[in-house]
Amino acid sequence: GDSVTQTEGQVALSEEDFLTIHCNYSASGYPALFWYVQYPGEGPQFLFRASRDKEKGSSRGFEATYNKEATSFHLQKASVQESDSAVYYCALSDSSGGNYKPTFGKGTSLVVHP
Amino acid sequence: GPKVLQIPSHQIIDMGQMVTLNCDPVSNHLYFYWYKQILGQQMEFLVNFYNGKVMEKSKLFKDQFSVERPDGSYFTLKIQPTALEDSAVYFCASSLSRFDERLFFGHGTKLSVL
Repeated sequence: GDSVTQTEGQVALSEEDFLTIHCNYSASGYPALFWYVQYPGEGPQFLFRASRDKEKGSSRGFEATYNKEATSFHLQKASVQESDSAVYYCALSDSSGGNYKPTFGKGTSLVVHP
Repeated sequence: GPKVLQIPSHQIIDMGQMVTLNCDPVSNHLYFYWYKQILGQQMEFLVNFYNGKVMEKSKLFKDQFSVERPDGSYFTLKIQPTALEDSAVYFCASSLSRFDERLFFGHGTKLSVL
């Protein structure tokens, strides 16, 4: 079945550092790819998505580019802030067959120190 | 932005009892989902629901689980009887349509089965 593998565990950075969280996927079809962010005590929030090869998604200074050849959708941000501390989920949805069940990675906890 | 409300935020019950988790989805959304997240693990798809019917369910959606949304009220997940392994945070989500793949999540209901 479909799966998402992302940077495991925790990423600890200082403010203004560059962020990369790796995400690789495996899918039988041509999935849409997503990033969600989850703050403590809340549910995941949609960050952005990309639906086709080489498309870039972006929001709030975060961005990722759909790479079909490498089956990747790595999250990046040029300069993180303490308020970016949260858990980030990479996800895919494969709507072939007229239905879909979005599949999430395990999540990566980002901690940004002031 | 649009909100998904989940009630209650925490439920403690004894093994073997019945529990109903309630979700008030975004008002004009048509597709509804339940996800299960055990502490420290990834969020896993349980079921999606449209037009009064289960569209797709995973292996985690055991026979003891059921979902419904009677007369446009709460979208509910019922577990009867509960088991210890059902302890987790359950997230409800909704989306506008199957073509609008962005999910809106609630804050989750933490279920503790003793």
